[in-house]
Amino acid sequence: QVQLQESGPGLVRPSQTLSLTCTVSGASISTDGSYWTWIRQHPGKGPECLGYIYFTGRTYYKSSLKSRLTISLDTSKNQVSLKLTSVSAADTAVYYCARIFYYGSGSYWPDYWGQGTLVTVSS
Amino acid sequence: EIVLTQSPATLSLSPGERATLSCRASQSISTYLAWYQQKPGQPPRLLIYDASSRATGIPARFSGSGSGTDFTLTISSLEPEDFALYYCQQRYDWPPGGITFGQGTRLDIK
Repeated sequence: QVQLQESGPGLVRPSQTLSLTCTVSGASISTDGSYWTWIRQHPGKGPECLGYIYFTGRTYYKSSLKSRLTISLDTSKNQVSLKLTSVSAADTAVYYCARIFYYGSGSYWPDYWGQGTLVTVSS
Repeated sequence: EIVLTQSPATLSLSPGERATLSCRASQSISTYLAWYQQKPGQPPRLLIYDASSRATGIPARFSGSGSGTDFTLTISSLEPEDFALYYCQQRYDWPPGGITFGQGTRLDIK
């Protein structure tokens, strides 16, 4: 059973850096063949994919966040990390990590998600 | 960025009724579409992928159809646990393109 658990501070000051960690169990992030993604959800809105990373370390970032966002892997700890710099109130949201799994025939879809962690940006 | 528009925003039905939820893409996305269910305080749960394939453990009353720009999620006979938020999601030009979600349809008990 694959499980993902997000962790990090629930409150971040404006202009500071938001750092979150996703600890994965039941799958190896370095050999699973999956992509790993960070998705956030503002209250009452649809989810928003921030970016993703392949098990090789190749990354993709949403264009509007590219200058502020870094997603990385720590294979020794089986963790996926997110760093978002220069945060503002607009970054207040529930942040999820998820696995994007290969279903065959070129088909990849997010299947396992963490429970999410609420991050509030406020002074 | 490909925009997904879901309709209706809210759907009020009774248990046992049939639910039909729609998702329209701003450009053709073939069958690169998934549907998710979300309940309060929980992450989204994958129901349907590739427009019409049911994910593991999803009951047969859930079905998906469509291709190109117009897609439908059908729940054949609503159970009490089906009343929730539903989102569609596309991955047409992924990777390296983006993944986008619709704004959701709330399925309420009438």
